[in-house]
Amino acid sequence: NAGVTQTPKFRVLKTGQSMTLLCAQDMNHEYMYWYRQDPGMGLRLIHYSVGEGTTAKGEVPDGYNVSRLKKQNFLLGLESAAPSQTSVYFCASSYSKNRGHSNQPQHFGDGTRLSIL
Amino acid sequence: SQQGEEDPQALSIQEGENATMNCSYKTSINNLQWYRQNSGRGLVHLILIRSNEREKHSGRLRVTLDTSKKSSSLLITASRAADTASYFCAKGTQGGSEKLVFGKGMKLTVNP
Repeated sequence: NAGVTQTPKFRVLKTGQSMTLLCAQDMNHEYMYWYRQDPGMGLRLIHYSVGEGTTAKGEVPDGYNVSRLKKQNFLLGLESAAPSQTSVYFCASSYSKNRGHSNQPQHFGDGTRLSIL
Repeated sequence: SQQGEEDPQALSIQEGENATMNCSYKTSINNLQWYRQNSGRGLVHLILIRSNEREKHSGRLRVTLDTSKKSSSLLITASRAADTASYFCAKGTQGGSEKLVFGKGMKLTVNP
């Protein structure tokens, strides 16, 4: 049972390049999330999804797009990378509130370390 | 804005001592969760306490919640070097958004 898997683990981009970060979960979770973690800032929510085919904006969505074409995958795209997007990106997933109480515990991947020059 | 702020921001103790971390928040919650993050890894869920609960235990972990003061504390008893990590509290918000709001985290160092 792999849990939440993020690819790639590391990447260096030049300003203006594009890339897609992939998150895959094998726990049949309905909800998935993308966060960024910066020194002194904690985790900030970029986008999230409450089900296949649905996405919603989080706290810091600008410059990012997401897609949830399959229940197990959640993709984060950077169309034109900027140095301010240098960060560690974490994906997480959780069961929906329909399986119990609201705000279920989230399961995290080990992150993608992204540097933009 | 972020809610769920940990205090202190950093704590260094000796193995065997207890470590207490505090978390404050501003608005009503469904639950409050604590996570651990080892260096270079993702966050790992430790314990969840619901708004109608006052105390919860899990192994060497004890969490309390005081909704009147809008605060929670995480106590790690008999700490070990392996407890060295960053600890985050996360607020489960009301209103059905299913989002967690994480604090900035607290670095715990347990010296052998």
